[in-house]
Amino acid sequence: DAKTTQPPSMDCAEGRAANLPCNHSTISGNEYVYWYRQIHSQGPQYIIHGLKNNETNEMASLIITEDRKSSTLILPHATLRDTAVYYCIVLNSGGYQKVTFGTGTKLQVIP
Amino acid sequence: DAGVTQSPTHLIKTRGQQVTLRCSPKSGHDTVSWYQQALGQGPQFIFQYYEEEERQRGNFPDRFSGHQFPNYSSELNVNALLLGDSALYLCASSLGITLDTQYFGPGTRLTVL
Repeated sequence: DAKTTQPPSMDCAEGRAANLPCNHSTISGNEYVYWYRQIHSQGPQYIIHGLKNNETNEMASLIITEDRKSSTLILPHATLRDTAVYYCIVLNSGGYQKVTFGTGTKLQVIP
Repeated sequence: DAGVTQSPTHLIKTRGQQVTLRCSPKSGHDTVSWYQQALGQGPQFIFQYYEEEERQRGNFPDRFSGHQFPNYSSELNVNALLLGDSALYLCASSLGITLDTQYFGPGTRLTVL
């Protein structure tokens, strides 16, 4: 079973910041938060990951709360091409990886 | 472009038949994982191959089997196809068996009639 909870859908106006929340209240100390997205009928694409510090790359920013029980993915200036399903995933730092995807958040960017 | 390739792109089979799907990992990657994605659902983990051995397996029956070759490419085999096996089959590659970013291929769309 997925260890994360995400809203099923969200809308965002083009050019505005998209803030996608994820709840992972049972996360343990050696578990990372990963975000992937899947544009219609394509394979999932890696976006960003973090352990406890906030992270930023060319695609997005990841804000993790101090207690690590939730996080927010931020797309600073959403474009129509950001319309996709966004998955928040928790993975441990060692051992074999059995990635469990939930149902994700369907982000619709509106012109 | 993540560099993971899958073939074929689309496939139509009938119930009871067998199918083989193929995956070539991103250059430099040695681990391949397979996922099944039904319409409207998130990808479900089938199994993972590393050093030519199955290392982890999800909740899938033995009809689903795989293989990894010395060049790290992989095959997914499904026997005795059921209508419910219709899905997008995704391959992901990564480096090593521990935590690492997975890069996904475009998938193979399997339709079972």
